[in-house]
Amino acid sequence: DAGVIQSPRHEVTEMGQEVTLRCKPISGHDYLFWYRQTMMRGLELLIYFNNNVPIDDSGMPEDRFSAKMPNASFSTLKIQPSEPRDSAVYFCASSLRQYNEQFFGPGTRLTVL
Amino acid sequence: GQQVMQIPQYQHVQEGEDFTTYCNSSTTLSNIQWYKQRPGGHPVFLIQLVKSGEVKKQKRLTFQFGEAKKNSSLHITATQTTDVGTYFCAGQGYSTLTFGKGTMLLVSP
Repeated sequence: DAGVIQSPRHEVTEMGQEVTLRCKPISGHDYLFWYRQTMMRGLELLIYFNNNVPIDDSGMPEDRFSAKMPNASFSTLKIQPSEPRDSAVYFCASSLRQYNEQFFGPGTRLTVL
Repeated sequence: GQQVMQIPQYQHVQEGEDFTTYCNSSTTLSNIQWYKQRPGGHPVFLIQLVKSGEVKKQKRLTFQFGEAKKNSSLHITATQTTDVGTYFCAGQGYSTLTFGKGTMLLVSP
């Protein structure tokens, strides 16, 4: 298995633009997680899905952020409009069960100018 | 909400010295996981502890889970330059995994 796949690996955009981050979890994993990592705040859980259904989105910072999982092999995290304070590394992770180890993707480094 | 505190934030050691990072949760945990993130990389799972008082070893790494299931530690014996990175504990509460802010370990040869 190729592991968790994320794209793009790097994204530089201007304030106000829409940004879409993509994730393909490991096949057969029931859980998918989106995290954001910054120096100041560390690794924060934004939202997680179980069997494609969003379970907890309390970590989503504001309405500018949205996430979808249309099928078991694909998820997106969208920021519209983007702001400089959204600059961070965004990780997607998946796990077989809720309490199992999480496998992280390589991350997307987002820079909003 | 659940909070996981980790200390120290940063430690710089000479190769061959020991290293310990400590993790404390504000609530009782169902399990605790440890991850390592190399510079520029992504978190990689190391181990999961489930039982009260549990101790597990992986070569030079020793992991402990406290009796009250609210704290944990990771000890590395005789550090090597390959141990460089940030070590995160992650506490599993009722539903979500909450990560500590990590301890960054630097090892000088």
